[in-house]
Formats: sequence, structure tokens, C-alpha cells
Amino acid sequence: AQKITQTQPGMFVQEKEAVTLDCTYDTSDPSYGLFWYKQPSSGEMIFLIYQGSYDQQNATEGRYSLNFQKARKSANLVISASQLGDSAMYFCAMRENTGNQFYFGTGTSLTVIP
Amino acid sequence: SQTIHQWPATLVQPVGSPLSLECTVEGTSNPNLYWYRQAAGRGLQLLFYSVGIGQISSEVPQNLSASRPQDRQFILSSKKLLLSDSGFYLCAWSAGMGEEPFFGPGTRLTVL
Repeated sequence: AQKITQTQPGMFVQEKEAVTLDCTYDTSDPSYGLFWYKQPSSGEMIFLIYQGSYDQQNATEGRYSLNFQKARKSANLVISASQLGDSAMYFCAMRENTGNQFYFGTGTSLTVIP
Repeated sequence: SQTIHQWPATLVQPVGSPLSLECTVEGTSNPNLYWYRQAAGRGLQLLFYSVGIGQISSEVPQNLSASRPQDRQFILSSKKLLLSDSGFYLCAWSAGMGEEPFFGPGTRLTVL
């Protein structure tokens, strides 16, 4: 079974609007971490935000916030006030505490329209 | 501060030729090291990871191999490249359990 599922291969958002990128995960480990990365066309992977499975509050980093719904096993990324520079691939990832591996989803391509 | 280097940045190789991609990390000791491959338009596939010198775990059976001759050096190799080996190869490090991976700039490999 897929550890990380991103069901939106491509998304479009109007500049200055908010957008939600979906991510669901599968694990039986009670302790895990969830991550979001941005990959612009240059190829580099940029770490955006982290959510621990025991964190009580949703993580926020500037315009990025993570809508963590543990019972649903979802960790959606919300980008507020989209900017043209937000156009990129976005990857959701998970690390289980039982191992050293990080599992990545297939990514969502976000295009911000002026 | 920590930095991670990969080289070469781009590489074009014929089918059947050998491969050696190098990754080095500065500013940290005993990092966990990872090699990922990203095929065009797809997600990241974990190829190898290492928790210490000489310790390599392979995730996907293939014609690639990895080695960690020094604490902060991670090498991806192949004796004979296949067309399917084309892709974007990313090296990453993490400080250990519970820490996010930081990625290098990547190597874009084209096998012709």
C-alpha cells in the first residue's frame, strides 16, 4: 500500500487566493512526522513545514499551514495569499519512528495564475 | 551551517557505461544519508540510505549500488547504465531520527 497519497497531479490557483494541497498517509506507527517540500523548476527540494503526530496544534510557517486531521490520516498543505513564485511541485512526505526512511508522495504541480 | 554538495550537476551517458555520482555533507557529523531518484513527472523513490560508514540499506533491487567510504561522503554507482536509469538523482541528509531531510542540488542523468 502507498504510504503517502497525493491525489491532485495538478492544481491552479489565482494569485492572492488560498489553495489546499491534499495529502493522506498510511501508517500503523503511533509516532511519525509529516513534511511538505517545494520543488521549483530548478529541481532543488525546499523544506516548508513539519507536523509531528503528537503535536496538538496545526503547524504554521508564514503563509504555509498544515491542516492535520489525525483520525482521517490527512495532512493537507494550505498556502494563503498565493504568489507567482509559489508555482512549483509540492511533495508530502512521512517518516515513521520505527525506521530511518522518508516516504514521499508523487507530488502536486501548482500553477499560480496572475 | 550545514551544506550538501552533489556533482556533477548534469550528466549524459551512453547505455552500458559506468556511473559514479558523489555527495558530500559539510558542517555535521554522523548524518543519515539518502539517495533518491525522481523520474520525469514522478515522485521521489528512495534508492539507498545509510546510518553510518559502510552501512548501506537498499530499498529497490536494481543495477545501482551505493557506498559510504567516509562519514560525510555518499556515492551512487553503476557498472552498466540502462535507459531506465535516466532521471534526477537527489542526495539528502538528516541529523537522525525525527529530523527532516535536507536535499542537495541534484544530478540530472540522461542515458542515451
